[in-house]
Amino acid sequence: AQSVSQHNHHVILSEAASLELGCNYSYGGTVNLFWYVQYPGQHLQLLLKYFSGDPLVKGIKGFEAEFIKSKFSFNLRKPSVQWSDTAEYFCAVNNNAGNMLTFGGGTRLMVKP
Amino acid sequence: SQTIHQWPATLVQPVGSPLSLECTVEGTSNPNLYWYRQAAGRGLQLLFYSVGIGQISSEVPQNLSASRPQDRQFILSSKKLLLSDSGFYLCAWSVDGQETQYFGPGTRLLVL
Repeated sequence: AQSVSQHNHHVILSEAASLELGCNYSYGGTVNLFWYVQYPGQHLQLLLKYFSGDPLVKGIKGFEAEFIKSKFSFNLRKPSVQWSDTAEYFCAVNNNAGNMLTFGGGTRLMVKP
Repeated sequence: SQTIHQWPATLVQPVGSPLSLECTVEGTSNPNLYWYRQAAGRGLQLLFYSVGIGQISSEVPQNLSASRPQDRQFILSSKKLLLSDSGFYLCAWSVDGQETQYFGPGTRLLVL
């Protein structure tokens, strides 16, 4: 069975700091990778996704993620965070054989103004 | 455009009472539908998914059940709630060939 690990449960940053949230998965086959974000009081929404092609994926709001197959990782990055990036971030994986997503435990990001 | 609705938004129920949470999707046909529970620090746990009317797969054995009486309606139920059923329940949809799932606003359930 596949699993997804997000090692940082809580991250606190000041505005303009750089962000990197780790995501590792365990599955040996072809995967589709996702980052979802849940802003306070809002729906869970898709931030970015990787299916194939360029392993550096650009998402909304200046976020990007890099798929490193050899490390089974899909870390989320943003060069300069804003207070409005305060949210909970979830990494998710499906194994390309169906529609089932496996989610990581989530990382709560707080950006101090 | 597609939209997904869940109700109620918040529910407080006593232990042992029944439960019915509803999820409906608009703007798409024959979606795949999912129920997740979100627990603090543990991400989203898939509870049930459905690829069509009357077709339900359970991922985790528990006190809950799901039904899909109509193409775009997905219901989460329980006959007798437990304290451990408290949580935030999310419904999601996707379409075949597109692996992205889209989530509803969720229902926060508190069992006392």
